[in-house]
Order: sequence, then C-alpha cells, then structure tokens
Amino acid sequence: DAMVIQNPRYQVTQFGKPVTLSCSQTLNHNVMYWYQQKSSQAPKLLFHYYDKDFNNEADTPDNFQSRRPNTSFCFLDIRSPGLGDAAMYLCATSSRDRGRQPQHFGDGTRLSIL
Amino acid sequence: DAKTTQPNSMESNEEEPVHLPCNHSTISGTDYIHWYRQLPSQGPEYVIHGLTSNVNNRMASLAIAEDRKSSTLILHRATLRDAAVYYCILRANAGGTSYGKLTFGQGTILTVHP
Repeated sequence: DAMVIQNPRYQVTQFGKPVTLSCSQTLNHNVMYWYQQKSSQAPKLLFHYYDKDFNNEADTPDNFQSRRPNTSFCFLDIRSPGLGDAAMYLCATSSRDRGRQPQHFGDGTRLSIL
Repeated sequence: DAKTTQPNSMESNEEEPVHLPCNHSTISGTDYIHWYRQLPSQGPEYVIHGLTSNVNNRMASLAIAEDRKSSTLILHRATLRDAAVYYCILRANAGGTSYGKLTFGQGTILTVHP
C-alpha cells in the first residue's frame, strides 16, 4: 500500500545536539508537510514543500530547517534542540489539488530531549 | 485561516450513532470542510471532506448546513476503535501559497463506552 513512512518512531537526543528526522512517501505527492504536536495539543504546521519550493510558517523557530532532496523524501533538521522541542513530529503529504484532496499522515516520530 | 469550534469532549455507547458538531462561521466560499481523527500514538487519519453537499463514505457521513457555517460528522454505529480525537478543519482552495494547509483546532475527544 502507498503510504507515508517516518523513521525512527522514537528518537532520543541530547540538549543542543543536532538531530534529523526523516519521512518518505510512495504516493508521489507534490506537497510534503511537517507538523509539530506537543503533548495534549493539536498538530501545528512548521513548514511545507510544494515540489522544491519551501514554505516556512511565520512562527516556526529558526532552529528548525527542512530538506527535500527528491519527491519521495523529506527531512526535518533541528539544529540545537531545546527541552521545549520535545514533541511528536508528523510528516504529511498531499497531491497538487489543494482543497479537495486529503492529507496523508505518517505515524510520527516522538522526540525526547535529555 | 478560518477557524472552527468543536466541543472539547463527547461520549457515546458502542453501536450507537454519534453526531460530532463543528461550527465554522467564518468559512469562505472556497473552503473545503475536512474531518480527521487521531488515535493514541498515531498520526491523524483522514475521515471525510465536503464543500456544500452532504457526503457519505465507508467511515462516516458529513452533513453540511445550507449556509455552510456548521457541519456534523456522523458515525453511524460507534465502535471502541472509534475512540479518538476528531478534528474539524477548513482547507483553503484559494490561490497563493496556502497549498491547502490544515490548521488544526483543539478537536473533540470521543469516548466510546462498551
């Protein structure tokens, strides 16, 4: 089945140590999104790619960056994780048709900061 | 982004219908109404979406008010597996760089009793 895969499911890193989370998709969708979801909160969009075009949300900290080397893969880089960055990180994809098409989510990577 | 308002929580008994309301009084003419649900430790899952007419699929039905300022997600026979957080989201279909991003509200926590 076509799907969105996030690895790893659980990631532990140290305070200030860079970490990369990965997302791959077999749906061949043009758009890939990264969301942050803190405990007991709703997901919050960090940024998204439309093909190779990167779109950052206005309130996403500079500490968060993303790369999309090809259609299938997208990475979330946290340059210097702080304790407040502990959260579930969700990757999602969508086809080009914006309004009608659903977003397909992976099961997330839960990031812990020591 | 247009906002939605949902009750914080609802309860149901197994095999009974569930009606989950959502108010979206500031909806624009081109916004689609999307519903997602999130089970514990999983990413959000697409449930259904609509624009003006009521919609049915294998998971649920979506009833949209004539003025589009509210909608109701209907689970015809709740099961224990339907216990989740249900999000009602407006997805833009406008031009520009919105690319159909989802802005999650707090959602409704649905509890299903055996």
